[in-house]
Amino acid sequence: NFMLTQPHSVSESPGKTVTISCTRSSGSIASNSVQWYQQRPGSSPTTVIYQNSQRPSGVPDRFSGSIDSSSNSASLIISGLKTEDEADYYCQSYDSRSQVFGGGTKLTVL
Amino acid sequence: QVHLVESGGDVVQPGRSLRLSCVASGFTFSSYGMQWVRQAPGKGLEWVALIWYDGSDIFYADSVKGRFTISRDNSKNTMYLQMNSLRAEDTAVYYCARSRIQGWFDPWGQGTLVTVSS
Repeated sequence: NFMLTQPHSVSESPGKTVTISCTRSSGSIASNSVQWYQQRPGSSPTTVIYQNSQRPSGVPDRFSGSIDSSSNSASLIISGLKTEDEADYYCQSYDSRSQVFGGGTKLTVL
Repeated sequence: QVHLVESGGDVVQPGRSLRLSCVASGFTFSSYGMQWVRQAPGKGLEWVALIWYDGSDIFYADSVKGRFTISRDNSKNTMYLQMNSLRAEDTAVYYCARSRIQGWFDPWGQGTLVTVSS
């Protein structure tokens, strides 16, 4: 099994851009797709990015995703930050027998 | 509208058993794998178990292997999680989620709370 490591928290001002990283401990980040979920307090997770960089319908194009094989990591980029983006964000990937979540990143928009 | 509704959460003593259910609607349940994911109070998401669309393959997290059993009844559009030998560390909100392409979970249910306490 592998682990996905995220920063515990990030903060940024409204209108700015923030990047949340997700580093895979072993195996290539490119070998299995990475998803990103947003979870607001008291709510279930919802998808903001799937298959590394795809946005589900209804997710604004302020949200984007990428992977970087050189750092073995994935990134969630949120531009034009809004106060409504304040939430916990989790990356997730998988291997042949298990699903793995990152520890989550608390985004504060202040 | 795709909808998942979990039920069965309760307060139980350590060592006891509990069965959770997840009822699906708005899609062809028998065509999709399904998963359970849990979240302990104030903690992150933890994958629990996965069952293929036809039940032919099943996977568990090491933390629940041998104690939890995932199953499904496609005639009832329902997935189950039988939880035995419950421990305090199993206390969590349990979510069911549909498995989509390449490991993507979507959507998620609203969750059901399991509290293991004496």
